[in-house]
Amino acid sequence: ETGVTQTPRHLVMGMTNKKSLKCEQHLGHNAMYWYKQSAKKPLELMFVYSLEERVENNSVPSRFSPECPNSSHLFLHLHTLQPEDSALYLCASSQEGAGTAFFGQGTRLTVV
Amino acid sequence: AQSVAQPEDQVNVAEGNPLTVKCTYSVSGNPYLFWYVQYPNRGLQFLLKYITGDNLVKGSYGFEAEFNKSQTSFHLKKPSALVSDSALYFCAVRAQAGTALIFGKGTTLSVSS
Repeated sequence: ETGVTQTPRHLVMGMTNKKSLKCEQHLGHNAMYWYKQSAKKPLELMFVYSLEERVENNSVPSRFSPECPNSSHLFLHLHTLQPEDSALYLCASSQEGAGTAFFGQGTRLTVV
Repeated sequence: AQSVAQPEDQVNVAEGNPLTVKCTYSVSGNPYLFWYVQYPNRGLQFLLKYITGDNLVKGSYGFEAEFNKSQTSFHLKKPSALVSDSALYFCAVRAQAGTALIFGKGTTLSVSS
């Protein structure tokens, strides 16, 4: 248990559905991240939130919409996804500065 | 721009033998370097990090890594491999305090009994 919890662990959704991924951290960190892990590809940084403000958006399509209502929670809202969006979505948190990032278990997303 | 290279897709080693998983980086300024391990269908687990100080860093499960500034490398090592070490290993770099980690593509370590 790393102190970062992601729900759900598995999600199957149709291309017209709307769903949300949730991440919660109990470590008192002030930065949170979404990463995408696809087969045979490096981890892709999607979004960075620092002190509840989005500080980085790595050219992620608008069908992915992050939300950080407070320093402990991070959401990724999904709508009209494509099959190529199927991947493991990882949330992480860290303390600003050189802090170590701790990861959740991930949400395995399948778009059908 | 910062980047990380893990030149080997897979490393195979027999149980009890030493193992090395290679990592090189490119970053402006002093790097913050990390190693993570991922078991199937799990998130990434932190192993060790180098921020400053001694070039040899010791981490979890008997792993260590050596920071070599001239070669811009941060290879992961373990003196005696276990079958349970079989997993996917990621090297990561942070260019400066406050930025996000950038990961290499990962190296699959397979330890045979």
